[in-house]
Amino acid sequence: DAGITQSPRHKVTETGTPVTLRCHQTENHRYMYWYRQDPGHGLRLIHYSYGVKDTDKGEVSDGYSVSRSKTEDFLLTLESATSSQTSVYFCAITTEGTGELFFGEGSRLTVL
Amino acid sequence: AQSVTQLGSHVSVSEGALVLLRCNYSSSVPPYLFWYVQYPNQGLQLLLKYTSAATLVKGINGFEAEFKKSETSFHLTKPSAHMSDAAEYFCAVREGGATNKLIFGTGTLLAVQP
Repeated sequence: DAGITQSPRHKVTETGTPVTLRCHQTENHRYMYWYRQDPGHGLRLIHYSYGVKDTDKGEVSDGYSVSRSKTEDFLLTLESATSSQTSVYFCAITTEGTGELFFGEGSRLTVL
Repeated sequence: AQSVTQLGSHVSVSEGALVLLRCNYSSSVPPYLFWYVQYPNQGLQLLLKYTSAATLVKGINGFEAEFKKSETSFHLTKPSAHMSDAAEYFCAVREGGATNKLIFGTGTLLAVQP
């Protein structure tokens, strides 16, 4: 158990509304990641963080923003949700070294 | 840039048969390679990893993978499939640099027939 908690686990929202997903970790890991999973695409990196207030974009960052004001929390925000952002979102952390990721249980977002 | 290709989005085997899931990678640096498994409605769990030590890597649940540099492959195998192996499997390569980002393949859904 990597001590990762995602919330909410399920959310249904309407197009144009803001949505924030939260990832909480209990082990003070420096690196945190947000991926989205879609059929036929595997997992794609949205944003990642390498420390408090240090974040960078991944390959599918358009329409998303992130914040990390403290080590344990990494927030993913959709400022104005669109149907194309319907997906399952996974948070992950890594133990520095070999770079293996440990994943949370996922947050399923449906945008109507 | 690093990338991963998984051949076969769906693989079906009979219980007791050999499981072979294919993964080819592209990397400009010596790669770190990973296989993850995802059971329905769950997160991803690490099966095994290659980090430039032994080329034959053993993982959990009887799975193993062999790193073949000449073929740029890292195929996942299990000698005898079990019903509980039905899941989606993802191959991943670590992107170079200090960020530890992983690049994932598109996944292979394994079905095990009785």
